[in-house]
Amino acid sequence: QKEVEQDPGPLSVPEGAIVSLNCTYSNSAFQYFMWYRQYSRKGPELLMYTYSSGNKEDGRFTAQVDKSSKYISLFIRDSQPSDSATYLCAMSRTGGYQKVTFGTGTKLQVIP
Amino acid sequence: DTGVSQNPRHKITKRGQNVTFRCDPISEHNRLYWYRQTLGQGPEFLTYFQNEAQLEKSRLLSDRFSAERPKGSFSTLEIQRTEQGDSAMYLCASSPGAGEEIQYFGPGTRLLVL
Repeated sequence: QKEVEQDPGPLSVPEGAIVSLNCTYSNSAFQYFMWYRQYSRKGPELLMYTYSSGNKEDGRFTAQVDKSSKYISLFIRDSQPSDSATYLCAMSRTGGYQKVTFGTGTKLQVIP
Repeated sequence: DTGVSQNPRHKITKRGQNVTFRCDPISEHNRLYWYRQTLGQGPEFLTYFQNEAQLEKSRLLSDRFSAERPKGSFSTLEIQRTEQGDSAMYLCASSPGAGEEIQYFGPGTRLLVL
């Protein structure tokens, strides 16, 4: 079993829809939770990060962490065609250097 | 403000040849990481530098792979005697260290071994 599980999709939604992307994990020591967006043939771009539990909002994006369920989510409101990309969840432990473990990524397509 | 840069962006080589990639991290970032990403997968950790010291290497990093970070600035990743299975995107990331572990990625070097 992988430490981080993410549905690879693809996920197709109409423009303007609310998108929900999710990851589950097994390592209870994870404390940093990140979402990266990756366009085709580009490097991952950091979207948001959260330390420990709770919610964080940035414009149309909201990240949620539920440590009791080992479940994290990224919500995209009013989705746009430019949001079409692969979304990678990533997480790490805290305390000095800790390598980051990534999910496989969910491919999202927003249809105009 | 410049982010993480990587060169070359693309590399095509024949099996058995050596290749070298370069990564320039964000200025003053102490930590530098190399990852490999294949199609449909998330990045997989290869190795990590704290300044010039290489502190961790993944089992994925076979003897044919070597990485350096002289003087704690840019880093190079060399693959000797390339194999077709080495074809992948090689990503570099850096982080400030000193309590902040968020990693910022470069655009990657896409390697194709024929």
